[in-house]
Amino acid sequence: RKEVEQDPGPFNVPEGATVAFNCTYSNSASQSFFWYRQDCRKEPKLLMSVYSSGNEDGRFTAQLNRASQYISLLIRDSKLSDSATYLCVVNKDSGAGSYQLTFGKGTKLSVIP
Amino acid sequence: EAGVTQFPSHSVIEKGQTVTLRCDPISGHDNLYWYRRVMGKEIKFLLHFVKESKQDESGMPNNRFLAERTGGTYSTLKVQPAELEDSGVYFCASSQQGWVYNEQFFGPGTRLTVL
Repeated sequence: RKEVEQDPGPFNVPEGATVAFNCTYSNSASQSFFWYRQDCRKEPKLLMSVYSSGNEDGRFTAQLNRASQYISLLIRDSKLSDSATYLCVVNKDSGAGSYQLTFGKGTKLSVIP
Repeated sequence: EAGVTQFPSHSVIEKGQTVTLRCDPISGHDNLYWYRRVMGKEIKFLLHFVKESKQDESGMPNNRFLAERTGGTYSTLKVQPAELEDSGVYFCASSQQGWVYNEQFFGPGTRLTVL
């Protein structure tokens, strides 16, 4: 079983739609959680950190359920510029005094005019 | 402020050759990470430097890969000899602290193709 699993996608949605991405992680020792965004042939960029209390940044809302080991990202009022691959990422102590990011494969979103 | 830079952006080599990738982290960032994405797979951790020391190299695939960070500034990742399965995108990232909540800033990556 992969450490971080995401919806395979792709998601093709019209402008203005609401879209939700789901992610599960297998390591209960994971300590921090993120959504990264990656544009085609570019580097991953942090979109937002995810906290147990849930957090919102404009049109983006992230939720974490530690008991279910489940992370979600909701995008409201989708824009063309939201088209990208969204990566679910967890951070854990590798046991070597280091924290390493573990990535999901990503879910591709295309927002259509 | 300049971001993480990587050189070259692309490299095409033949199996058995040697390639050296370079990463310049954000100035002042003590923590430097290497990751790799092979086609069809997720991005995977390779190793982590704190200044010039290797903190964690548990993700390095085998002894054909050698990473260095002399002086605690830029880092190099050498693949010798390269194999077909080494093809992929190699990302470098840096962070100011190595703490679990610290954002890692990624470079644009080096796309390596081994023929």
